[in-house]
Amino acid sequence: GESVGLHLPTLSVQEGDNSIINCAYSNSASDYFIWYKQESGKGPQFIIDIRSNMDKRQGQRVTVLLNKTVKHLSLQIAATQPGDSAVYFCAEGPGGSNYKLTFGKGTLLTVNP
Amino acid sequence: DTGVSQNPRHKITKRGQNVTFRCDPISEHNRLYWYRQTLGQGPEFLTYFQNEAQLEKSRLLSDRFSAERPKGSFSTLEIQRTEQGDSAMYLCASSQTGTWYNSPLHFGNGTRLTVT
Repeated sequence: GESVGLHLPTLSVQEGDNSIINCAYSNSASDYFIWYKQESGKGPQFIIDIRSNMDKRQGQRVTVLLNKTVKHLSLQIAATQPGDSAVYFCAEGPGGSNYKLTFGKGTLLTVNP
Repeated sequence: DTGVSQNPRHKITKRGQNVTFRCDPISEHNRLYWYRQTLGQGPEFLTYFQNEAQLEKSRLLSDRFSAERPKGSFSTLEIQRTEQGDSAMYLCASSQTGTWYNSPLHFGNGTRLTVT
């Protein structure tokens, strides 16, 4: 079946470096993509989202890039801080009137001081 | 705190018992969702309400599971005759009326269920 997956299960970076977390998706009909951050013992926290008619969107210290040609999504975190250490999930939504998100497995980001 | 509130945070129960979880969404949000998350996995969709109407249910939601949102505000998720495979984090989320890209889901901190 269709699925959302992640290229790397773990990522370790030095404080101050930029981080890039990747995600592959296979449902070409997906209209909406979203990144969540989940810290231990907490629920997923919204970071940034992007529609399929865009290829880039920027937030505070974060940028999401969407490449529909290769069905690839990435999250870039600038000047990574220890507080960014968490599991990051990408999710896809079919859009329209269907509000069911399909999540990938997650990438554990560890920021070393 | 005006985020999504879930109670209890933790629940330990014996196999065969019934459990009920409560979710209070963000007050102006009319959409409410239940997801389940097992260790090391992403959340999986269970069901979705718009106001008091339950509009979609996943095949994961067996007949032992029932969700309600009687007045379009808080919601409850009940699991009858719990099984060990029900052990998971149960997450509630809410969102505003509107299109996807203007109304992202906001999650609560979940109820962790352990069935012994």
